[in-house]
Amino acid sequence: GAVVSQHPSWVICKSGTSVKIECRSLDFQATTMFWYRQFPKQSLMLMATSNEGSKATYEQGVEKDKFLINHASLTLSTLTVTSAHPEDSSFYICSARDLNYQETQYFGPGTRLLVL
Amino acid sequence: SQQGEEDPQALSIQEGENATMNCSYKTSINNLQWYRQNSGRGLVHLILIRSNEREKHSGRLRVTLDTSKKSSSLLITASRAADTASYFCATALIQGAQKLVFGQGTRLTINP
Repeated sequence: GAVVSQHPSWVICKSGTSVKIECRSLDFQATTMFWYRQFPKQSLMLMATSNEGSKATYEQGVEKDKFLINHASLTLSTLTVTSAHPEDSSFYICSARDLNYQETQYFGPGTRLLVL
Repeated sequence: SQQGEEDPQALSIQEGENATMNCSYKTSINNLQWYRQNSGRGLVHLILIRSNEREKHSGRLRVTLDTSKKSSSLLITASRAADTASYFCATALIQGAQKLVFGQGTRLTINP
């Protein structure tokens, strides 16, 4: 149980285009999902907290108009990188917190984004 | 900024030996969690220790927590080649929707 999927697993896009990444909790409901980015050989940096049915909360320094988050259901959150630039190339990881087991976050496998 | 600092940043040992990784943090926490990440993959939750606990075991894993020193350690006993990965501690803060703040991680290499 407690599986989180992400789609796509990797994506290559041209500079200036937008990319949408999906995060799904497959066998549990998640009122809260989190989005992280990770640069090579570095740790995870929290970008935003996604709450079902309400606006996401962004961490300091993260542009909300650049990284659009939608959490429309208890099992799906999406992150859209708008007008992507090469510096947005990174590994994006989502996690979901089980509605019934609030302490543990379950992580997706990550999405590798390369912007050319 | 990152809450946690881990040491060592990299650790290379022989198969069968024990591996110890340390994590320090700065502010009060609700709990501390350890995760493993294989190269280019997602994170796997290993163990959670609450702020009122001092030690916890799970299989070959042993985690300690010293809230007075704001530090934790992860011990992997009888290491195996498959334990090769990066290990991260993450603190769940008392405030802030229990967001996780990750340490820098320890890259562990187990040599066969």
